[in-house]
Amino acid sequence: QSVLTQPPSVSAAPGQKVSISCSGSSSNIGKNYIAWYQQVPGTAPKLLIYDNDKRPSGIPDRFSGSKSGTSATLGIAGLQTGDEADYYCVTWDSSLSVVFGGGTKLTVL
Amino acid sequence: QVQLQESGPGLVKPSQTLSLTCTVSGGSVSRGGNHWTWIRQIPGKGLEWIGNIYDSHSSFYNPSLKSRVTISLDTSKNQFSLKLTSVTAADTALYYCARAHGDFVYYFQSWGQGTPVTVSS
Repeated sequence: QSVLTQPPSVSAAPGQKVSISCSGSSSNIGKNYIAWYQQVPGTAPKLLIYDNDKRPSGIPDRFSGSKSGTSATLGIAGLQTGDEADYYCVTWDSSLSVVFGGGTKLTVL
Repeated sequence: QVQLQESGPGLVKPSQTLSLTCTVSGGSVSRGGNHWTWIRQIPGKGLEWIGNIYDSHSSFYNPSLKSRVTISLDTSKNQFSLKLTSVTAADTALYYCARAHGDFVYYFQSWGQGTPVTVSS
């Protein structure tokens, strides 16, 4: 059972927008920045979002992040088939540990 | 561009020690500001942070693994290593090494390709 809760799966058609939620508590999301990773099957995860809503160089602006209270959301607009992947949220927890969400599998229909 | 490559035995017997090494190229493990990290992924499951080392004296471990984990730096070889003692089948996973740079230990900008480890007799 992960400390951060994500939906196991989401799906949407190409061109549409999808949101992936990440729910935590006051000991993690509530007091720390969130990051998001994309993991295409068979490859290592890639940093998509950091500081809740910032994108590293090279990440298209179709990817967005937000945080409110003890929850965070990853948004992906203009879905492409290449966006099919697992997405993970991550932050620091007051238990002195980095904690990941359980991951969300995105299917582009 | 920092690149990382994991290496080590792919098969470990139960109760023994799992030892992996991450070789860093394109940068120095001695350079400050980097958190050299181990993360694992149980097949078909999510990611689990094992721990990191900031310099030769500062390391942080997942509380659930802390009693069994040691992460160390070898600056002469530009490598960092993971030792996990008393392994069981539950430690079977794909093990990644990664680098976080800056103030936040969970912003992993660089990853190795991962190395699978199976715990079995």
